[in-house]
Amino acid sequence: GAGVSQSPSNKVTEKGKDVELRCDPISGHTALYWYRQRLGQGLEFLIYFQGNSAPDKSGLPSDRFSAERTGESVSTLTIQRTQQEDSAVYLCASSLFTIAVFARSYEQYFGPGTRLTVT
Amino acid sequence: EDQVTQSPEALRLQEGESSSLNCSYTVSGLRGLFWYRQDPGKGPEFLFTLYSAGEEKEKERLKATLTKKESFLHITAPKPEDSATYLCAVYDSNYQLIWGAGTKLIIKP
Repeated sequence: GAGVSQSPSNKVTEKGKDVELRCDPISGHTALYWYRQRLGQGLEFLIYFQGNSAPDKSGLPSDRFSAERTGESVSTLTIQRTQQEDSAVYLCASSLFTIAVFARSYEQYFGPGTRLTVT
Repeated sequence: EDQVTQSPEALRLQEGESSSLNCSYTVSGLRGLFWYRQDPGKGPEFLFTLYSAGEEKEKERLKATLTKKESFLHITAPKPEDSATYLCAVYDSNYQLIWGAGTKLIIKP
């Protein structure tokens, strides 16, 4: 079946511009996650959705970052007034449920990522 | 503070030379430990989930084991295509997935 897809695969933008990154999760997966990965570094959790609700937004680096999810499907991560430190690969993942739903773990499946370069 | 530490940071092996990667964690009430593989320029690929001490899972040349404080990813007779960064992650008490920094594995032919 189809996996997690993300678009665009690469995005180059000028400092100060807004960008929108898109994630299409695996069909039927209720949970969706956004991560940031800087070059040569580990995964930095940004936000997750259970359905269309985001219970925890504390991982978002600043108020320039926002995310939404509609129809328990597609999600967009928006970065306003981009800065050079926003340059990274943004990864999206989905899972059947979040652990909080049934108190058991569900593995996350990742998309290929969007490489964002802010010049 | 809940933490996940992976060692070594990088490991270079000759093809066929078996070894192990370590993931140690300090979370209360383990709710699952995950192993992923990440190739350059790609998203992490799920490998295993382990839930309780003593549990083992195998896939091809990889075997993951779990104790109360750590997990090992054993690689038997590795091939160059096993070269990748291997990531470990565990859930903390707030149901947040905590990721280790990864071990970069290089297998030389």
